[in-house]
Amino acid sequence: DTAVSQTPKYLVTQMGNDKSIKCEQNLGHDTMYWYKQDSKKFLKIMFSYNNKELIINETVPNRFSPKSPDKAHLNLHINSLELGDSAVYFCASSQAGTGKFFGPGTRLTVL
Amino acid sequence: ILNVEQSPQSLHVQEGDSTNFTCSFPSSNFYALHWYRWETAKSPEALFVMTLNGDEKKKGRISATLNTKEGYSYLYIKGSQPEDSATYLCASPYSGGGADGLTFGKGTHLIIQP
Repeated sequence: DTAVSQTPKYLVTQMGNDKSIKCEQNLGHDTMYWYKQDSKKFLKIMFSYNNKELIINETVPNRFSPKSPDKAHLNLHINSLELGDSAVYFCASSQAGTGKFFGPGTRLTVL
Repeated sequence: ILNVEQSPQSLHVQEGDSTNFTCSFPSSNFYALHWYRWETAKSPEALFVMTLNGDEKKKGRISATLNTKEGYSYLYIKGSQPEDSATYLCASPYSGGGADGLTFGKGTHLIIQP
């Protein structure tokens, strides 16, 4: 019973394309997140989202947008992919103030 | 976004020895301090969430302390085992609101040598 799942696990695409990564959590958590693991293996917050607020890390390009069809899903849509977008993207969820449950990650490679 | 720092960056420890490492964070506007364990090819796994000054939490052979006044936390591992090899991350939320995303440190990469 996977708590936080992401699809796809691997995504290889051409520069300039638009792609989405899906995330689902079955924990009933109120808040979901997207993190990016950069080339130095450093985890950086991209977005935090619950039904009341969306907090965007100001360093994230506006080509990245989170979309939440319902409380259990927070998808990441990326427009006009660039080489520098290649990274591992982690989805996570939590109840406020508790530890985060992370998904398995999606390795995005932009050619 | 906060400045969360961890030291050392990497650590080699002999099996059976005990070890500890540090996380420092801004002491002003403190909300919480998280510790995560991240094994290679897996996802980060939450160990502790600490909020009160002087707090001490324990999970098996791993424990953590928190000093919010001076802005540091220690993670201790007693009697290290090979399965303890992982990167240990600390993190702090940048707000106390509901959507409390974390700012992570760069981690301490721990290698236990048999």
